[in-house]
Amino acid sequence: ETAVFQTPNYHVTQVGNEVSFNCKQTLGHDTMYWYKQDSKKLLKIMFSYNNKQLIVNETVPRRFSPQSSDKAHLNLRIKSVEPEDSAVYLCASSYWSSAETLYFGSGTRLTVL
Amino acid sequence: GQQVQQSPASLVLQEGENAELQCNFSTSLNSMQWFYQRPGGSLVSLFYNPSGTKHSGRLTSTTVIKERRSSLHISSSQTTDSGTYLCALERRSNNRIFFGDGTQLVVKP
Repeated sequence: ETAVFQTPNYHVTQVGNEVSFNCKQTLGHDTMYWYKQDSKKLLKIMFSYNNKQLIVNETVPRRFSPQSSDKAHLNLRIKSVEPEDSAVYLCASSYWSSAETLYFGSGTRLTVL
Repeated sequence: GQQVQQSPASLVLQEGENAELQCNFSTSLNSMQWFYQRPGGSLVSLFYNPSGTKHSGRLTSTTVIKERRSSLHISSSQTTDSGTYLCALERRSNNRIFFGDGTQLVVKP
């Protein structure tokens, strides 16, 4: 049963453009995350957001920024995309922290030409 | 150094054979999870297992904190088990999450 919804499923764009991905969870969770999965299937956390507290992975470039209107939504904006941004971006949520079970969305596959 | 090491990197089975996937970690952890990802698909949580043994159908997860390892056992494999299996731990010291590199499993009919 899908409870973490991501849109779009796919997005193709050119270098330098701005993109925005949406994520919504209907589980009543307090914490949401964005992960990046590269072509080797490696998953790396980008952001976690809990009660409006943002925890940023220090390796994430500044062109990436999370946007949250409430605890059920966490969007990801990328200003001026680069070729290395091509990846699958996965949104997840959990009750309090990642010590609880993570629930993932289906992912957004970004291709930067 | 790498916090989580998964093995094997890839595995090919004949349908009906069993599989044992390993995840070794080098840090104290708050939690350990196993995920399954179909080719091109989303992640599905298989187990949340910070310690001990848990069962779900043909799957068994065992985490032994003292030995810093977690395993995923698949019995009587089926072709539909093919995909990528990932383990992930949350490090106790700073709550950061680390994923293993994954095991690519192929089950042939």
